[in-house]
Order: sequence, then structure tokens, then C-alpha cells
Amino acid sequence: QSALTQPASVSGSPGQSITISCTGTSSDVGSHDLVSWYQHRPGKAPKLMIYEDTKRPSGISNRFSGSKSGNTASLTISGLQAEDEADYYCCSYAPTKNLVFGGGTKLTVL
Amino acid sequence: QVQLVQSGEEVKQPGASVKVSCKASDYTFTPYTINWVRQAPGQGLEWIGWISVYNGNTNYAQRLQGRVTMTTDTSTSTAYMELRSLRSDDTAIYYCARLGTATSYYYAMDVWGQGTTVTVSS
Repeated sequence: QSALTQPASVSGSPGQSITISCTGTSSDVGSHDLVSWYQHRPGKAPKLMIYEDTKRPSGISNRFSGSKSGNTASLTISGLQAEDEADYYCCSYAPTKNLVFGGGTKLTVL
Repeated sequence: QVQLVQSGEEVKQPGASVKVSCKASDYTFTPYTINWVRQAPGQGLEWIGWISVYNGNTNYAQRLQGRVTMTTDTSTSTAYMELRSLRSDDTAIYYCARLGTATSYYYAMDVWGQGTTVTVSS
């Protein structure tokens, strides 16, 4: 069982927006502003999409945004595109466990 | 460009050990921490542990304590992850990843290796 809870799957049509939640505790997600999000396509290495809760690495589309409220972080993808179909993982720094991942969310673009 | 290149696929018998390498290029190796992450078939990502290249300090996931050792060779900019007493449930793709610093991508993994498939089977 993963330390952080994500929905197993989400789906949306092209052009729509979707949000993936990542729920932890005050010992991980809620402890610091250090949640990151990764896109993982089959056969590829994971790709950093969001870091420090809300920041986007250079080269990542502004259609991807991160937010957090209390012990729940969220990844929002707006203007959904077929190429966004992938698995998405949240990851949080946790002082007692170092790094913890969510269970992953499969995004299907209908 | 900045990259991490991992060693090739491994097939091991139960009880054996495996050592996966991760060679860094086009960035200064020492200031960073290298993480190891694995994904078993049909499962999600699992953090295995990390090693500070700067001082060699390590932190391992509790469930792998005692079976995993991470090291680095700064002369070749290479990190290593050794896993001993292999079991069938260690079958997975193993990734190395660079951990960001306080000045950039703090506690996020911004550069990843291509992955190494380790299969444990008799």
C-alpha cells in the first residue's frame, strides 16, 4: 500500500481539464512545500512535471499546474491532448521516510 | 546533454545479487544526490533509497534495509545500487534519478536514467 493516495484512473476528452489528487498526511504532503509530479509513459523514464508543489520545470507546458491544500496536493492538466495519456505519480518529501510516492493515476484521453 | 546512462538488463536466480550502474554525464557529479526507484510489473513507482555523492551518506527504504547498498565512484561519475538475496518480487525496472538541490528542483528528481530491467527467476 502506497503512502500517498491517488485515484487509480481519471479520464477526459481532448480540450477538457482534469485534476488528479494526492492525499497524504501532515508528516509528508503537509509537512513541507516539496511535492513533485511525474509523467510516466510505458517504456520511458518518468518525467518531472511539477516540483515544490507548484513550480514547472523549463520546457513543461503551462497546461500543467500544481496546487496544494493542507495534506492534499493536486495536478491539473488543462486543454487535454492525446499526448497527455500516461500514468502520473505524485511524490513527497517526508522527514521520517525521506521520499514517498503515490500509487499512480492512469490518465485516459477519450 | 545532461544524462544518466544505466547498465543493461540482468537475469538472476533467487538468492543471488545484482549490481546496477548509473553513469552521469555533462554535469558536475559531486553536489547532487542520486536516488534509486523501481517499478515492478503492473505496480507503481517505489522509492528504494538515495546516496549523497558529496559525502556518501545513504538512506534506504525500510523494507529493503539490510539487502541494499548504494555507492558512488566520483572518478568515473558513476553510482551503483547492489541488491542482495534476490527474490521473485524484486523483479522490476530499476531507475536512477538525480535529486535536485535547494537552489533548483528541491527534493524533485529532474534527470532519470533509462531504466534497467532485473528479472529474478529460477
